[in-house]
Amino acid sequence: ETGVTQTPRHLVMGMTNKKSLKCEQHLGHNAMYWYKQSAKKPLELMFVYSLEERVENNSVPSRFSPECPNSSHLFLHLHTLQPEDSALYLCASSQESSIQETQYFGPGTRLLVL
Amino acid sequence: EDQVTQSPEALRLQEGESSSLNCSYTVSGLRGLFWYRQDPGKGPEFLFTLYSAGEEKEKERLKATLTKKESFLHITAPKPEDSATYLCAVQVQTGANNLFFGTGTRLTVIP
Repeated sequence: ETGVTQTPRHLVMGMTNKKSLKCEQHLGHNAMYWYKQSAKKPLELMFVYSLEERVENNSVPSRFSPECPNSSHLFLHLHTLQPEDSALYLCASSQESSIQETQYFGPGTRLLVL
Repeated sequence: EDQVTQSPEALRLQEGESSSLNCSYTVSGLRGLFWYRQDPGKGPEFLFTLYSAGEEKEKERLKATLTKKESFLHITAPKPEDSATYLCAVQVQTGANNLFFGTGTRLTVIP
């Protein structure tokens, strides 16, 4: 595997389910990110991790819970989601979380909440 | 408020018909401007980073330029495989490695 991988690629869940999205980066980077991409909206930054520590949380509802056990893996735990949470969830990584670092994206997980 | 606006929203070109995509920004202190390409059902693929006004970068049929208020992505003699959504993102001086994205330009190149 190379670059940034995400699993699953597609997920359908009910509002009472609990599921997790997984991201793994094979680039040796120290920073990882979660973004939400909805139709006709800009990508929205959700969380930033640097060396496994959360450095940014952009007012994301508590039904989204991130976890970064090491610098190569990032999870997004989902529970009691709403239909408006249906979107493409993208993971990205960069060498550092400081400025002027290029972020590299995974293929995304397409989430549908029924 | 930091803002990134891309135009047009959608663009259809004949194969070989050159054109430009625009990304205008109003941010408090630009640190970098990024162009990405996104194919349907995939994540954004990095194309270019521009750091200062007057800077230009090229890759195959694509050329990105930057001024103090906007960036252009010029596409010369496009091919059908250039069809994708092109995203512009700016990085500002404050905060962590935050990228503010535009909504993208959906390019379709017709054979």
